[in-house]
Amino acid sequence: TQLLEQSPQFLSIQEGENLTVYCNSSSVFSSLQWYRQEPGEGPVLLVTVVTGGEVKKLKRLTFQFGDARKDSSLHITAAQPGDTGLYLCAGASGNTGGFKTIFGAGTRLFVKA
Amino acid sequence: NAGVTQTPKFQVLKTGQSMTLQCAQDMNHEYMSWYRQDPGMGLRLIHYSVGAGITDQGEVPNGYNVSRSTTEDFPLRLLSAAPSQTSVYFCATSRTKNRVRNQPQHFGDGTRLSIL
Repeated sequence: TQLLEQSPQFLSIQEGENLTVYCNSSSVFSSLQWYRQEPGEGPVLLVTVVTGGEVKKLKRLTFQFGDARKDSSLHITAAQPGDTGLYLCAGASGNTGGFKTIFGAGTRLFVKA
Repeated sequence: NAGVTQTPKFQVLKTGQSMTLQCAQDMNHEYMSWYRQDPGMGLRLIHYSVGAGITDQGEVPNGYNVSRSTTEDFPLRLLSAAPSQTSVYFCATSRTKNRVRNQPQHFGDGTRLSIL
């Protein structure tokens, strides 16, 4: 069974601080996605990483896919209250033609003004 | 732009009752799926469909039925509600059934279901 483990589970920081959250697995994924979910809403895609070692930037957010395609990280520079939310990583299960997506349990981020 | 519409937004049921959660999309997406989200467990796939007339089981299918008679609609049926099915349910779609590159999924805003 493929699993995605996210850490930390919860993070509370002050505005302006930097942070990194992690998504790890013992399995290889063809690609990983990061979503952000706000209370009362569904997850919204932030980025998809597909190549081992790939780094993508989205304004103050930097996403990296591990060389072995088993892990990924999300780094936020100078966090703002608007970054508050649940960050989820997701990967396509390779055992079923990629039709099943596996989600991690998420990192809940709270940025205090 | 409606995107993915889920109804109802909230529902309270008694144990043993049945109900249908509705999901409708106006993007002509081939792939549709249902997830449940529970605290500390992330999103777990219940059922999915790669096109009209085609459905398959996900990670946690027991107690749920689905059908896909049209491209637009993908209802989720609870046959006999149990307290363990208290959760937030999300419907999601992708443009095509080709999931190898993990195409983006578009989520509805969820249905919050409580079973007493």
